[in-house]
Amino acid sequence: EVQLVQSGGGLVQPGGSLRLSCVASGFSFSVYWMHWVRQVPGKGLVWVSHIHSDAISTAYVDSVRGRFTISRDNAKNTLYLQMNSLRADDTAVYYCTNFFGVWGQGTMVTVSS
Amino acid sequence: DVVLTQSPLSLPVTLGQPASISCRSSQSLVHSDGNIYLTWFQQRPGQSPRRLIYNVSKRDSGVPDRFSGSGSDTDFTLKISRVEAEDVGVYYCWQGSHWPPWTFGQGTKVEIK
Repeated sequence: EVQLVQSGGGLVQPGGSLRLSCVASGFSFSVYWMHWVRQVPGKGLVWVSHIHSDAISTAYVDSVRGRFTISRDNAKNTLYLQMNSLRADDTAVYYCTNFFGVWGQGTMVTVSS
Repeated sequence: DVVLTQSPLSLPVTLGQPASISCRSSQSLVHSDGNIYLTWFQQRPGQSPRRLIYNVSKRDSGVPDRFSGSGSDTDFTLKISRVEAEDVGVYYCWQGSHWPPWTFGQGTKVEIK
C-alpha cells in the first residue's frame, strides 16, 4: 500500500523545538521531491518546505526560513522537519506529501504556554 | 509569487446538480517545459487532501468521471457534473509551474443545500 505515516507532533512552549517524521512505503521514495504543508484548523493549505530527491536542494516559505530545517534519509524512506524557535503562529496540522497524490495523515503541532 | 484566486469560496449545491469552481492565476502557469502544472485537491472533513486532477485535466485513478478539469494559461475550472453527498468538502487548486513557493488557492467549500 502506498502511504506516508507521520509522527512527532504535540504541544510545545513558544521558543521550543519539535521534529516531525514521515515514513514512506509502497513507492520509490528516493526519486520524489518531498514537501511539508501546513493547515491552521479551519483554514487553507500552505506550503512550508521542499527537499529535492538528492537531499541537498531545499526551499522554505519566508515565515519559517532560518527556523525550520527539512531533511530526508533515502535509505530509511523517511522525511523530517526540524522545527526550532517555535511561535504561536506555527500552530497547525502539518502534512508531508510528494504532491503526486500521496499525503500523510497529518500531525498536530500546538505552540502554547 | 504566483497567487491563485478561487471563486466562489462557498458553493451550496443541490444533490444531482452541477458545480463549477474557478481558479485564476496571477501569471501564466505554462512551465518552461510547455506543461501546465495545475492540480485540484479535494479535502473531505477530517481527512488529508486527495489529488483529483493534475496537469489541468488528467483525472487520478479512482476519481469518478463526474469530476473534470479544464483551462489554460491563467484561467482554470473544476467541474462536478452531478454532485453527490460524498463530494462535500473543500477544493483547492495548486500550482507547481513556478516555484518556490508552491502555492494553493484559498479553497472552495462545497456543501449540500
